[in-house]
Amino acid sequence: KAGVTQTPRYLIKTRGQQVTLSCSPISGHRSVSWYQQTPGQGLQFLFEYFSETQRNKGNFPGRFSGRQFSNSRSEMNVSTLELGDSALYLCASSVSGLTGQPQHFGDGTRLSIL
Amino acid sequence: QKEVEQDPGPLSVPEGAIVSLNCTYSNSAFQYFMWYRQYSRKGPELLMYTYSSGNKEDGRFTAQVDKSSKYISLFIRDSQPSDSATYLCAMGSQGGSEKLVFGKGTKLTVNP
Repeated sequence: KAGVTQTPRYLIKTRGQQVTLSCSPISGHRSVSWYQQTPGQGLQFLFEYFSETQRNKGNFPGRFSGRQFSNSRSEMNVSTLELGDSALYLCASSVSGLTGQPQHFGDGTRLSIL
Repeated sequence: QKEVEQDPGPLSVPEGAIVSLNCTYSNSAFQYFMWYRQYSRKGPELLMYTYSSGNKEDGRFTAQVDKSSKYISLFIRDSQPSDSATYLCAMGSQGGSEKLVFGKGTKLTVNP
């Protein structure tokens, strides 16, 4: 069974640009969560989608947004990029995202802002 | 006070040693607990998952949860160089869609 797939693996952007990251969950998983990982803050929750609806959101500015498609694939978008957005962005999937279901992570997209 | 505290290490041990990794938390709503292992340039890999207080064993790994003390541990027996990685604790609360809260991770090196 294929794991969570994230594309691209690496991205370099400049300040002010926008970026879109993609995540394909494990087959049969309908919940997709996004996390930002930095050396200073560790892993921080961005948002979670289930059946194309955002069900939960972390404390990030509105520049961070996402969506989920009918096949459960998800994208996240960051607009007006800032230097502080440089991070590893991780996607995790679970069957339904309900309490107690373990989340499985992809290998992330490493975003560097110049 | 942060919701989850984890000693960042780094922790360096000889091969074969018993390793103890720990996290404390402040939110009583946390009901289930996970340990993830993250190798360099890879995503976190789920190692252990527990719901209640007590011990759970899987091979060389034992997860321990003490809800009364708000303290969780991961023990690695007979540690191997391949165990060298960053270990992250994560916690979730009851009731709805998932939002895990992570510790910052402990970097472990097992020396041959």
